[in-house]
Amino acid sequence: NAGVTQTPKFQVLKTGQSMTLQCAQDMNHNSMYWYRQDPGMGLRLIYYSASEGTTDKGEVPNGYNVSRLNKREFSLRLESAAPSQTSVYFCASTWARRHEQFFGPGTRLTVL
Amino acid sequence: GQQLNQSPQSMFIQEGEDVSMNCTSSSIFNTWLWYKQDPGEGPVLLIALYKAGELTSNGRLTAQFGITRKDSFLNISASIPSDVGIYFCAGRRNSGGGADGLTFGKGTHLIIQP
Repeated sequence: NAGVTQTPKFQVLKTGQSMTLQCAQDMNHNSMYWYRQDPGMGLRLIYYSASEGTTDKGEVPNGYNVSRLNKREFSLRLESAAPSQTSVYFCASTWARRHEQFFGPGTRLTVL
Repeated sequence: GQQLNQSPQSMFIQEGEDVSMNCTSSSIFNTWLWYKQDPGEGPVLLIALYKAGELTSNGRLTAQFGITRKDSFLNISASIPSDVGIYFCAGRRNSGGGADGLTFGKGTHLIIQP
């Protein structure tokens, strides 16, 4: 099993450009999450999807949209990138009613 | 949002020493998790705690869920070079079902001097 996979690993954008970060898991997990990690800030929740067909805002949702494409895939979209969105983005997943989240390797995004 | 205060922020220790770090909150959490993150990688789960007072070990690692539900501790015995990394505590407030996300501490950076 590959676990949680994320693409791309690295990305550089110009201010105002858009892009979609992809995440997929092969563990048959119900719930999926997007976090961002900034220096000295720990990880902060952007959006999550408790189950296929549902999404909810986390702590820092502004400037992002998400799509739970199916049970395996959960994408994060930046419609108009800003320098403040320069960060490392992690996707995670877990079974319903369990809270041990498993993380992907991250996408390192720089917005110029 | 919720705040988890993790300390110390960094630790410089000698190989073979024991390590202790902790996480505290002003709010009650019903689940505590400890993760380790290596440079350029995602966090990897070390230990999960679900009951107040619970003490759980994973090899040289031992973690405890505080009785007040407002804190948790992680100990590493006889540290080795591969223990280097950033350790994060994470908590979840809600009990029972639901899939809302975790609240993370800011991490403890462990550095081992040969």
